[in-house]
Amino acid sequence: EPEVTQTPSHQVTQMGQEVILRCVPISNHLYFYWYRQILGQKVEFLVSFYNNEISEKSEIFDDQFSVERPDGSNFTLKIRSTKLEDSAMYFCASSEQGNYGYTFGSGTRLTVV
Amino acid sequence: GESVGLHLPTLSVQEGDNSIINCAYSNSASDYFIWYKQESGKGPQFIIDIRSNMDKRQGQRVTVLLNKTVKHLSLQIAATQPGDSAVYFCAENSGGSNYKLTFGKGTLLTVNP
Repeated sequence: EPEVTQTPSHQVTQMGQEVILRCVPISNHLYFYWYRQILGQKVEFLVSFYNNEISEKSEIFDDQFSVERPDGSNFTLKIRSTKLEDSAMYFCASSEQGNYGYTFGSGTRLTVV
Repeated sequence: GESVGLHLPTLSVQEGDNSIINCAYSNSASDYFIWYKQESGKGPQFIIDIRSNMDKRQGQRVTVLLNKTVKHLSLQIAATQPGDSAVYFCAENSGGSNYKLTFGKGTLLTVNP
């Protein structure tokens, strides 16, 4: 069964440092997303990406965040200057057409110290 | 405003019993709903979905019921097994073209052998 792959599974970084979280969506999917989940809380939408541009972003997705699809397979989330409150699980997701085949990766646990 | 919530944060059942997990939503414009299962340290795993033009959908051992009148969604799991123990989230799509999902807080289902 096709999977969304995320790397690394766990990232520890110092406050103020930049991190890049990587995702390989399912190959024939057209829509890409990042969500995050702070420990013990619900999953929150960050950003959606379609046709090589951001289609929607949440209030959480401020100027410190950016996304990129550098080639035909990867989809990255960059946090420029991490804060303690950025510590969370970050999930990448992709879908084939809109809601169809909406699949999540296993996540990257980001710990900011 | 948009919100998806769950009536019960925890549910404990005996193996073999049927489980019912409930979810309330407030956005009457939502046209698509998904139930996800999340095991510890993993990403949300698709269980079953339903569109707003339906009121019931069945899968293997799972049934989703949608009551648009009272904005209520439920997940029924038949013959619950220990492997069903996880956190269950409902998520809604409000009908926008960006396919953002809004998640509820989650219900922890514990199946006792």
